[in-house]
Amino acid sequence: RKEVEQDPGPFNVPEGATVAFNCTYSNSASQSFFWYRQDCRKEPKLLMSVYSSGNEDGRFTAQLNRASQYISLLIRDSKLSDSATYLCVVKDYGGATNKLIFGTGTLLAVQP
Amino acid sequence: DGGITQSPKYLFRKEGQNVTLSCEQNLNHDAMYWYRQDPGQGLRLIYYSQIVNDFQKGDIAEGYSVSREKKESFPLTVTSAQKNPTAFYLCASSTLTSGYNEQFFGPGTRLTVL
Repeated sequence: RKEVEQDPGPFNVPEGATVAFNCTYSNSASQSFFWYRQDCRKEPKLLMSVYSSGNEDGRFTAQLNRASQYISLLIRDSKLSDSATYLCVVKDYGGATNKLIFGTGTLLAVQP
Repeated sequence: DGGITQSPKYLFRKEGQNVTLSCEQNLNHDAMYWYRQDPGQGLRLIYYSQIVNDFQKGDIAEGYSVSREKKESFPLTVTSAQKNPTAFYLCASSTLTSGYNEQFFGPGTRLTVL
């Protein structure tokens, strides 16, 4: 089983749609959770951290369910500029390092 | 502007050659990382360093070497022992704070073995 699993997509949605991405992680000891965004042939950039109580940043809402080891990202009112790959990332605390484990990403294509 | 720079952007190598990828940061971060990204796969950790003159192997260190002689610099050498070196290589840096600290990435180097 992969440490972090995501549906690879692609998710093809029209502008203005609401889209949700899901992610599961295998290590119950994981402590910190993130969504990164990666544009085609570019580096990943932090979109938002995911806190236990859930958090929102504009059109983006992230949720964490520790019991089910499940993370979600909801994008409302999709824009063309939201087209990208969304990476679910989990930080494990093992030994002397805080290691990030990356999912393979979910590709979102917003259509005009 | 603070950030991470990587060079070159594109690199072509003949089989059997060693190549060195540059990574420099001016964010005053203690930790630096090298990842490899292949199509359809997540980022995989090659090496990381938390302090000058010290570094540790990640998940896929075989065929790679690094050095950390300065806080700002963490070059990666892809040796001829690396069986499938063609990939997108990403360097990142972060503070050492535990919890929700962000890793910042450089723009990456695309290595192609001819």
